[in-house]
Amino acid sequence: DQQVKQNSPSLSVQEGRISILNCDYTNSMFDYFLWYKKYPAEGPTFLISISSIKDKNEDGRFTVFLNKSAKHLSLHIVPSQPGDSAVYFCAASAHSNSGYALNFGKGTSLLVTP
Amino acid sequence: DAGVTQSPTHLIKTRGQHVTLRCSPISGHKSVSWYQQVLGQGPQFIFQYYEKEERGRGNFPDRFSARQFPNYSSELNVNALLLGDSALYLCASSLGFRTDTQYFGPGTRLTVL
Repeated sequence: DQQVKQNSPSLSVQEGRISILNCDYTNSMFDYFLWYKKYPAEGPTFLISISSIKDKNEDGRFTVFLNKSAKHLSLHIVPSQPGDSAVYFCAASAHSNSGYALNFGKGTSLLVTP
Repeated sequence: DAGVTQSPTHLIKTRGQHVTLRCSPISGHKSVSWYQQVLGQGPQFIFQYYEKEERGRGNFPDRFSARQFPNYSSELNVNALLLGDSALYLCASSLGFRTDTQYFGPGTRLTVL
């Protein structure tokens, strides 16, 4: 049962433009959301997070938006750079019998072209 | 400061064998979690340990076990390996039990033949 969904397997954006990556979730108990970036043969690298008490968090070129009523979050990268090309994972957590496990989406592969 | 480290980097085993994977958390982090990532999927939660106690377990068979040592490092053990256990095994550490932000290691690539 996939509780976190990233419905776009891939996205291609020109350098300098905005990249928007989307994520939907089904579990209303999720209270913390994170975005990770992953290069091949490396572990996921933490990018940015947001608590369910907020609707926006910004860090440099990265901004995450949370819409709790729609159970939707998005990651905006502005401006996009070729080095941003990677797989981006959305993750969500909530306390459960499984501790504070992160539930991941399947990822979106971002390609930023010069 | 060193990040999360994992060993070995790669491992090849045959069906039925046993494997032990190791993880050292970021200095000062007391919680370690293990995840399995198969190709084309996001990481799947296996275990969470905090202060040497198991605090969470994902939907994995009893062939999977883990432990955390007094220095907060951790081992993941998998018995009776199956072909389907081939995956990237990721270790993540966080400061406390409430794993608000987990920081991942580079992973161990396990291939079962």
